[in-house]
Amino acid sequence: DQQVKQNSPSLSVQEGRISILNCDYTNSMFDYFLWYKKYPAEGPTFLISISSIKDKNEDGRFTVFLNKSAKHLSLHIVPSQPGDSAVYFCAAPGAGSYQLTFGKGTKLSVIP
Amino acid sequence: DVKVTQSSRYLVKRTGEKVFLECVQDMDHENMFWYRQDPGLGLRLIYFSYDVKMKEKGDIPEGYSVSREKKERFSLILESASTNQTSMYLCASSFSQFLWEGPEQFFGPGTRLTVL
Repeated sequence: DQQVKQNSPSLSVQEGRISILNCDYTNSMFDYFLWYKKYPAEGPTFLISISSIKDKNEDGRFTVFLNKSAKHLSLHIVPSQPGDSAVYFCAAPGAGSYQLTFGKGTKLSVIP
Repeated sequence: DVKVTQSSRYLVKRTGEKVFLECVQDMDHENMFWYRQDPGLGLRLIYFSYDVKMKEKGDIPEGYSVSREKKERFSLILESASTNQTSMYLCASSFSQFLWEGPEQFFGPGTRLTVL
């Protein structure tokens, strides 16, 4: 039972345009969400998070939006840069708050 | 900066061998985790530990065991390696059990294990 779903395995975007990565969740008890970025042959790095008391959190070019009624969150990258090409995972704290449940990831390719 | 290190970046082992993957964190974190990452399957939790000598099974513990004798070190053991354990293994640590302190996990660089 996949509680965090990233339905798009891959996404290609032109440099300078907006990248939108989507994530859906099934567990309404989730109240904190995180995005991680992973380059090949490296470990994931924490990118941005959002608490359920907010519907938006912004950090530079990265903005995460949360729609609790739809159980959906999205990561916007504006403007996209070639260095943003990576796999992006969304995650939420699971059964114990220190465990994270990860989506399967979306591979973003930013084309120069 | 939080630093999580893993003993090897690349490892090649034979079927049936006992394999040790070591992970060390330098930030006095309470919680440590072992994941494997496979294409199309994302990150899957193997085992985690929230204290020294404590361990809990994750989603896919079969064929693995762990050891945490010291707070900073968490070892993953493949008792008898098999070809289906060929994967990228990622270690992570986090500070807190409490949501308001942030559940962010910090990852090591990963070990690419190939079992022949």
